[in-house]
Amino acid sequence: GENVEQHPSTLSVQEGDSAVIKCTYSDSASNYFPWYKQELGKRPQLIIDIRSNVGEKKDQRIAVTLNKTAKHFSLHITETQPEDSAVYFCAAIPGGSYIPTFGRGTSLIVHP
Amino acid sequence: DGGITQSPKYLFRKEGQNVTLSCEQNLNHDAMYWYRQDPGQGLRLIYYSQIVNDFQKGDIAEGYSVSREKKESFPLTVTSAQKNPTAFYLCASSIQGQDEKLFFGSGTQLSVL
Repeated sequence: GENVEQHPSTLSVQEGDSAVIKCTYSDSASNYFPWYKQELGKRPQLIIDIRSNVGEKKDQRIAVTLNKTAKHFSLHITETQPEDSAVYFCAAIPGGSYIPTFGRGTSLIVHP
Repeated sequence: DGGITQSPKYLFRKEGQNVTLSCEQNLNHDAMYWYRQDPGQGLRLIYYSQIVNDFQKGDIAEGYSVSREKKESFPLTVTSAQKNPTAFYLCASSIQGQDEKLFFGSGTQLSVL
C-alpha cells in the first residue's frame, strides 16, 4: 500500500517568513495529492490539491509543487501570518482508489 | 457548520463498555470514512464505506465496528476489545467517483474513565 512521509513534524517561523512542508510517497500509481489544514480544535479542511499531470499550483499565498520522478510534493506558504498557525496534513491517493493515505502532520507556528 | 455532523463532542468510556460515535451527513455523499487522530500520528483509517450496506476495514480496524444502513449515517462503535481508545475521532465523507476531496466532521474526543 501507499506510504506517505511528512517533514518536519514541527515548524516555527516569524510572521512574514516563508514556510515549506515536504512529503514523499511510495506508490508510483498515486495521482492526486491534497493538503489539509487543521486549526486548533477544528476539523481538517482542504486548502489546496494537485494532480499528477501538473507540476505546480498556486492559490494566493500558498502553492504546491510535485516531482513525480522523485515522488515528492511540497507545500509552500509565503508571507506567513499568525492565522496560518495550524497542523497541515499531506495525503496521496492512488489512481482508481478514493482512499487517501495521510502523512503524520506538521505543526506550523507563526510568531507575531 | 452544516454538511457532516458528529456527536457527541466529548465521550467518556468505562472499562469493558462499548460506546457508539455518531456521524450524519446531508451532502448526499456516497463514501464515508472514520479516522483516528493521535498526537504525532496523523490520521489513521479505521473503516470506510463506499455504498450502503457495505464497508471495509482500514489500517486499524481491530476493536472497532461500523454499520451503514442509510446513506446519511455511518456510526462507529468502539468496543471493549479496543484497549487504547483514547483519541480524537474524525468522520469524513466524499463524492465517490467524482472527487476525492474529503469533508470532515468536527470530531469526537473519546477518553477512558
